[in-house]
Parts: sequence; structure tokens; C-alpha cells
Amino acid sequence: DVKVTQSSRYLVKRTGEKVFLECVQDMDHENMFWYRQDPGLGLRLIYFSYDVKMKEKGDIPEGYSVSREKKERFSLILESASTNQTSMYLCASRKAGNLAGNTIYFGEGSWLTVV
Amino acid sequence: DQQVKQNSPSLSVQEGRISILNCDYTNSMFDYFLWYKKYPAEGPTFLISISSIKDKNEDGRFTVFLNKSAKHLSLHIVPSQPGDSAVYFCAASARYGGSQGNLIFGKGTKLSVKP
Repeated sequence: DVKVTQSSRYLVKRTGEKVFLECVQDMDHENMFWYRQDPGLGLRLIYFSYDVKMKEKGDIPEGYSVSREKKERFSLILESASTNQTSMYLCASRKAGNLAGNTIYFGEGSWLTVV
Repeated sequence: DQQVKQNSPSLSVQEGRISILNCDYTNSMFDYFLWYKKYPAEGPTFLISISSIKDKNEDGRFTVFLNKSAKHLSLHIVPSQPGDSAVYFCAASARYGGSQGNLIFGKGTKLSVKP
């Protein structure tokens, strides 16, 4: 079974703090993604990475950055957390190749509250 | 502009009856469609998918129907069970056309199955 692990399930951070959300997958997947989920807005793509050291902006990259130094790990960084970044963050991964046909697998999510 | 639309935010169904969740899309380049199920405080899990070369795919109690001319797909759950109560996300991707195969998600439909 594919395992996507998000290291922190629940975090509370102060406005202006730097926040790191870590994600590790164990299936040697090339592609990794960060989404956020908000009520009524569904899943919105923040950043994605096709392979190590590669990154692409998604639909809502403002206020975020990412790092992919190793194939299995994809980190989401909030340089200066703000209250409107309070959300559930979901990491996902996918095998490259038949891009439109490959299922993406999600982690359990990280609930971030910025106060 | 929403490319994948789930116009019903919620649906309530009696146990044992059929649940029908609907999804519309606007991008004619989409050629692969997926349904994900999400329980509160968990990540989405893959449920069922369909390629644009088919009009139906069935997996146990779950069937997805695709009507390409109407740009519409639906998920049927028969019979519905209380454990099916969750948020269901429709997603679509295009093998070609600039989105690099990334999944575009709808906003979700919350299904409640009453005993």
C-alpha cells in the first residue's frame, strides 16, 4: 500500500511565524503535491513537484514556498504565517508516466491554526 | 473559472436507497475522471475512476457514469450505507493541454446516509 505521511497532524502557530509542513512518501513516486482544503472551496493546489529539485506553482501559491531535496520528501513552507492560512493541508503523491491515468494518493492531512 | 463543478453541496439519503452524486466539467480536454471520498480529519481516498473512452465503470456498490456530450459524470452508490457518509470530491485531468495531468477538483458534496 502507498503510504503518504504528514509529520504533523495538528499545529497551532502565531502570526508571523515560519511554519514547515513535512511530507514523506514510501512508493518512489516522482510527483508530489500540496493542497489545502477549506469548507466550500474544495481542494486547491498550492504547489507541485514533478521530481527532485523541481517545483511548479499551483493555483494558490502566494504566501507559500516548497522544497524537494529528496525524492521521498516534499516540504511546504509558510514564510510568515497569517490567519488566512488556517486550513487543512494535504500532501499527495503519484507515479509519473501516464499522468492523466494515475491515481494520486493523499496523506491524512495537517490541521494548521494560525492565531 | 471553475472547471469542475459539484453543484450540490450536500445530499441526504436513506440507508438502502441509491445515492447519486453529480459532477459537471467545462474543459473538453479532460480525459480522465476520478471520485475521492473524504472523512472528517482524514485525507481523501481514491474511490473509482473512468477514462473518457468509456461511459461506465463499476466497482461493487459504486458505479460511475460519463456523458461526454453533456460533460457530465455521476457516481451511483447502491445500496447506500451509513458508512458511506462522507464528502465526495469529483476530479478531472487532461493528458494534454497544459495542465500537465494535474487533477482539478470540484468543491465536494457531503453525503449523509441515514439509518
